[in-house]
Amino acid sequence: AQKVTQAQTEISVVEKEDVTLDCVYETRDTTYYLFWYKQPPSGELVFLIRRNSFDEQNEISGRYSWNFQKSTSSFNFTITASQVVDSAVYFCALSDTLQGAQKLVFGQGTRLTINP
Amino acid sequence: DAGITQSPRHKVTETGTPVTLRCHQTENHRYMYWYRQDPGHGLRLIHYSYGVKDTDKGEVSDGYSVSRSKTEDFLLTLESATSSQTSVYFCAISESSTIYQETQYFGPGTRLLVL
Repeated sequence: AQKVTQAQTEISVVEKEDVTLDCVYETRDTTYYLFWYKQPPSGELVFLIRRNSFDEQNEISGRYSWNFQKSTSSFNFTITASQVVDSAVYFCALSDTLQGAQKLVFGQGTRLTINP
Repeated sequence: DAGITQSPRHKVTETGTPVTLRCHQTENHRYMYWYRQDPGHGLRLIHYSYGVKDTDKGEVSDGYSVSRSKTEDFLLTLESATSSQTSVYFCAISESSTIYQETQYFGPGTRLLVL
């Protein structure tokens, strides 16, 4: 069975610090998708990134970067120079379906608080 | 913007009452999903649909039914609500620009309280 673990329930840092959110996954499939979503205090879910398992290139988008390591089954998310607006709950998710209905399995979420 | 709306946005109901939540999309996406969000569990898939009248169960489907009579609407019904179904319910669609690029986008959520 698939499983996603976000061991950090809550993280609190001071603005401008770098912070890394951990995501470890389990799957028997050789091909799969990984995702990160952001849920700000307003409650909506915002898509951040999708990574296909056959594409191990790391990605950077502004202050956000993602480190995908198949060898350790991890897909960690780093925010550089954090800002108060980054305060949110962040979810990592996994899907084994590359075509058709995409049944996501979510981690428990990490609540990130950025203090001014 | 994936054009997803959910109604109602908030609902308070009593145990044993039937409840229907509606998800509406404006862009003809084939796949639609219902998830529930609970503290400590993240989001869990309840049911999903892969076309009109085509639905299947997810991880936590007990106590829920769904229907999809039109492409744009996906209904979630709690036949007899229980307090354990107090949750935030999210609808989602999946969208892809090319093959192997499926991504799910979520509606604004419905907060349901069962007393």
